Amino acid sequence: EPEVTQTPSHQVTQMGQEVILRCVPISNHLYFYWYRQILGQKVEFLVSFYNNEISEKSEIFDDQFSVERPDGSNFTLKIRSTKLEDSAMYFCASSEAGLASAYEQYFGPGTRLTVT
Amino acid sequence: DQQVKQNSPSLSVQEGRISILNCDYTNSMFDYFLWYKKYPAEGPTFLISISSIKDKNEDGRFTVFLNKSAKHLSLHIVPSQPGDSAVYFCAAVPTGTASKLTFGTGTRLQVTL
Repeated sequence: EPEVTQTPSHQVTQMGQEVILRCVPISNHLYFYWYRQILGQKVEFLVSFYNNEISEKSEIFDDQFSVERPDGSNFTLKIRSTKLEDSAMYFCASSEAGLASAYEQYFGPGTRLTVT
Repeated sequence: DQQVKQNSPSLSVQEGRISILNCDYTNSMFDYFLWYKKYPAEGPTFLISISSIKDKNEDGRFTVFLNKSAKHLSLHIVPSQPGDSAVYFCAAVPTGTASKLTFGTGTRLQVTL
């Protein structure tokens, strides 16, 4: 069964450093997303991406964050200058085209980001 | 503020019995509702969804009920199995958004033998 994959599974970085989290969405999906879950809190939407541009973003997704689809398979989240409060589990998700099916998002296993 | 709430942090059910997980939302501006299951060290797994124009959707052992007047949805699992033990999240898609999911805080289900 097709699945969303994410690398690395765990990333440790120092405050102020740049990190890039990588995702390979399901191959026939056209919508891509990033979510995060701070320990003990809700899963929070960060950004959605369709047709090579951001379609929605949350207030969390400020100028320190960016997303990119550098080729036909990868989808990346970059944090330019990490802060302690960026420590969280980051989930990538994807969904098919179409109105109803676009709501059914399939998640990767997550990347645990630890900022020290 | 568009909130989705799961007021029960945990639930324990015997194998073979029905599990009922509940979710409330604070306004009517959601078009679609979904349930996800999450095991430790894994991402959320899509289970079942329901459009705001329906009141019930069934898929195998899983049924989701939507009560719009009460702003309440529930997930029924019948019969419950030990492999159903996980954290269950309800999520909703706000009206006017493409597909942003707003998640509840989750309910940990433990199915005992």
